[in-house]
Amino acid sequence: GAGVSQSPSNKVTEKGKDVELRCDPISGHTALYWYRQSLGQGLEFLIYFQGNSAPDKSGLPSDRFSAERTGGSVSTLTIQRTQQEDSAVYLCASSITGTNSYNEQFFGPGTRLTVL
Amino acid sequence: GESVGLHLPTLSVQEGDNSIINCAYSNSASDYFIWYKQESGKGPQFIIDIRSNMDKRQGQRVTVLLNKTVKHLSLQIAATQPGDSAVYFCAVPRVLNTDKLIFGTGTRLQVFP
Repeated sequence: GAGVSQSPSNKVTEKGKDVELRCDPISGHTALYWYRQSLGQGLEFLIYFQGNSAPDKSGLPSDRFSAERTGGSVSTLTIQRTQQEDSAVYLCASSITGTNSYNEQFFGPGTRLTVL
Repeated sequence: GESVGLHLPTLSVQEGDNSIINCAYSNSASDYFIWYKQESGKGPQFIIDIRSNMDKRQGQRVTVLLNKTVKHLSLQIAATQPGDSAVYFCAVPRVLNTDKLIFGTGTRLQVFP
């Protein structure tokens, strides 16, 4: 069956360039999450979407980071003016719903971002 | 705020032995706990969860133990196999009754023949 997909799987960019990372959640999942995983580290929460709205952006590390979700499905994480410290694996997850219950989060394979 | 930590960054076990991976959490109000497995190059995968009204839950070859008194969680893997080699994360909700999670830093399990 279709799981969470992310693209690209790998992205190499130069410092100062903008990048867009895409996440396709499982169909019907209303909750979508973005995480960042630096080498040898745990998962750092970035942003949470419920439908198209983002009630929790508290994890975005700076105003260079933004994300949107359209049609309650696909989400794009944009990093502007990338810095070397942005290098990490960016993981997306989705769940049936994010509120009033505990539901399993299903993760995509991640996008490995390398900023030179 | 909530924090989650693990006791060891790397655990090496011999194939066939049992593995125990530990996790500590800080918020005594946490009522749901999850273990994830992340294989190299893949996203984390749900293994097993437990709610705070239980102190033990068993799955296939895995058992999770919860000690609320000392805010400690452990994952036990029986008869560890090479396919169990991965990084294991515990996670707790950042906000109760939501799916928003805080993850620990992970323990790398290495299985040798």
